[in-house]
Amino acid sequence: NAGVTQTPKFQVLKTGQSMTLQCAQDMNHNSMYWYRQDPGMGLRLIYYSASEGTTDKGEVPNGYNVSRLNKREFSLRLESAAPSQTSVYFCASSEFGAGRSTQYFGPGTRLLVL
Amino acid sequence: GDSVTQMEGPVTLSEEAFLTINCTYTATGYPSLFWYVQYPGEGLQLLLKATKADDKGSNKGFEATYRKETTSFHLEKGSVQVSDSAVYFCALDSYNQGGKLIFGQGTELSVKP
Repeated sequence: NAGVTQTPKFQVLKTGQSMTLQCAQDMNHNSMYWYRQDPGMGLRLIYYSASEGTTDKGEVPNGYNVSRLNKREFSLRLESAAPSQTSVYFCASSEFGAGRSTQYFGPGTRLLVL
Repeated sequence: GDSVTQMEGPVTLSEEAFLTINCTYTATGYPSLFWYVQYPGEGLQLLLKATKADDKGSNKGFEATYRKETTSFHLEKGSVQVSDSAVYFCALDSYNQGGKLIFGQGTELSVKP
């Protein structure tokens, strides 16, 4: 089992460019999440998907969109990147919603927006 | 809204020293509480959790007790090792916010030989 995988590991964008961060899990989990990690801020939830076919906004959704492509995959899209979106992005999954079961995290994607 | 506050780091200790990382929370209702650990260059891993008041979570020599009266969930280890060097995050699940995890800002621990 690979657990939660993310691609790419590192990306540099120019302001205004778009990109999609990919996430996949092989644990047959129902719920998936996207977080961003910034120094001194902990992790903040961007979007989550409680189950296949549903998505909801988290704490900091502005500037992002998500797609729950199927039960395994949950992608995060930046339509027009801004320097404020420079961060480390983590995808996570859990069998059920947060608190009811453990969240498993991917290794992260480091994004630099110039 | 619900929130988690951790002691600021970085914390630097010598090997075999006693570790305490403070964590306090604000929440309505009865959240579950978690400690996650992030080793350099990796994602977060669940270290331990407690689901109700007075529960003690433990794993790999780390312990934390859910104290509702003081709204705290302090992480302790009796004798740290160099391999414990990592960033530690306290978190709670917030049913008032749809059951999502709320994280503290993280505390970096560095253990010197």
